[in-house]
Amino acid sequence: DAGITQSPRHKVTETGTPVTLRCHQTENHRYMYWYRQDPGHGLRLIHYSYGVKDTDKGEVSDGYSVSRSKTEDFLLTLESATSSQTSVYFCAISEGGTANYGYTFGSGTRLTVV
Amino acid sequence: SQKIEQNSEALNIQEGKTATLTCNYTNYSPAYLQWYRQDPGRGPVFLLLIRENEKEKRKERLKVTFDTTLKQSLFHITASQPADSATYLCALLNQAGTALIFGKGTTLSVSS
Repeated sequence: DAGITQSPRHKVTETGTPVTLRCHQTENHRYMYWYRQDPGHGLRLIHYSYGVKDTDKGEVSDGYSVSRSKTEDFLLTLESATSSQTSVYFCAISEGGTANYGYTFGSGTRLTVV
Repeated sequence: SQKIEQNSEALNIQEGKTATLTCNYTNYSPAYLQWYRQDPGRGPVFLLLIRENEKEKRKERLKVTFDTTLKQSLFHITASQPADSATYLCALLNQAGTALIFGKGTTLSVSS
């Protein structure tokens, strides 16, 4: 998707290993979000950021941490991956923090924890 | 707690007909409601948003209504085409006002 890229696109990792997913944007948007999408649950918010070094937890933040040292990059880290973290992870960006701005999503990272 | 429900998991219609998807929400009074399209293996794509003081919004073959009394939004695709086949998600801002929460989506299949 234009202006936002996620890497890697696919990853298989072993239980207990740390994993970092990267979201990079070229839109200079202040707001960035990490969601996971699972069958039967839909999209659920993990963490979000409202500026450099400003982050907060979402509804499913346990086992995840984030960092945002630059406007363009928002990293999601699984400190010690578990099988329950097998999912598709989406990053999104928004020009404003309210619902009168649509989100632009990345193409996703499919993570499998074995 | 705040909930969004999209009543149908799947909707199958014939080409040329109007598809109508429903989004209901509870325990909240959002000022805006958004709709997204998601294709398999891709991220959601923003389609349009409607404000609480707008009863209806149109964009090409798409029409969205927002009834704050019923706590419901309807999403219509007129003259549907096979290319409209996708999953459609509704979203609104969470109660904390920090991020969107999404319904689980309705998968629309349009057959020719």
